[in-house]
Amino acid sequence: DGGITQSPKYLFRKEGQNVTLSCEQNLNHDAMYWYRQDPGQGLRLIYYSQIVNDFQKGDIAEGYSVSREKKESFPLTVTSAQKNPTAFYLCASSIGESIEQYFGPGTRLTVT
Amino acid sequence: AQKVTQAQTEISVVEKEDVTLDCVYETRDTTYYLFWYKQPPSGELVFLIRRNSFDEQNEISGRYSWNFQKSTSSFNFTITASQVVDSAVYFCALTPSNDYKLSFGAGTTVTVRA
Repeated sequence: DGGITQSPKYLFRKEGQNVTLSCEQNLNHDAMYWYRQDPGQGLRLIYYSQIVNDFQKGDIAEGYSVSREKKESFPLTVTSAQKNPTAFYLCASSIGESIEQYFGPGTRLTVT
Repeated sequence: AQKVTQAQTEISVVEKEDVTLDCVYETRDTTYYLFWYKQPPSGELVFLIRRNSFDEQNEISGRYSWNFQKSTSSFNFTITASQVVDSAVYFCALTPSNDYKLSFGAGTTVTVRA
């Protein structure tokens, strides 16, 4: 089955620790994205990547880092510099620009 | 800058009622694309429709229909004869042409009661 996988579904970390969220797609899409969703709010773009070995900051990149070494994979690291890391994180991919994005099931991160 | 406003935070209906979700947007671009997504309780966003700014024809897909009015910058979504499975959060989104970044509205939570 083609799709986007994110693991784990739930993640718990202590404050001050970095944590990496996984995102893998087998749709052969060039572009990949990371969004953050807080309760009662829409999605906010953290980072996106148009192509392998290239990525751009979104609207709320501070405290996050990404890499895009393979077309299929776009991991997101939530660093200890992120002030409010507890949120629902969604990964997405698309064939290109201005086209619909397809989303993974999300990872719910709780930092205490 | 793009902005999408979904003024309705929550809507509750009884099964078989129709429900209309409002979406109003702001953009300076002449060419842009509008989207609707559904987020069921499982959390994964499901793509419903994409519409470009030059196509103002209304669209119907089963029980779903969309009304795009450029003159009022609105892209409203109607669910006809709602079902319990329609209970979800629905997001409207906007992107300019030749851009990767989607701007999402805050979402409307629809609850359909049996």
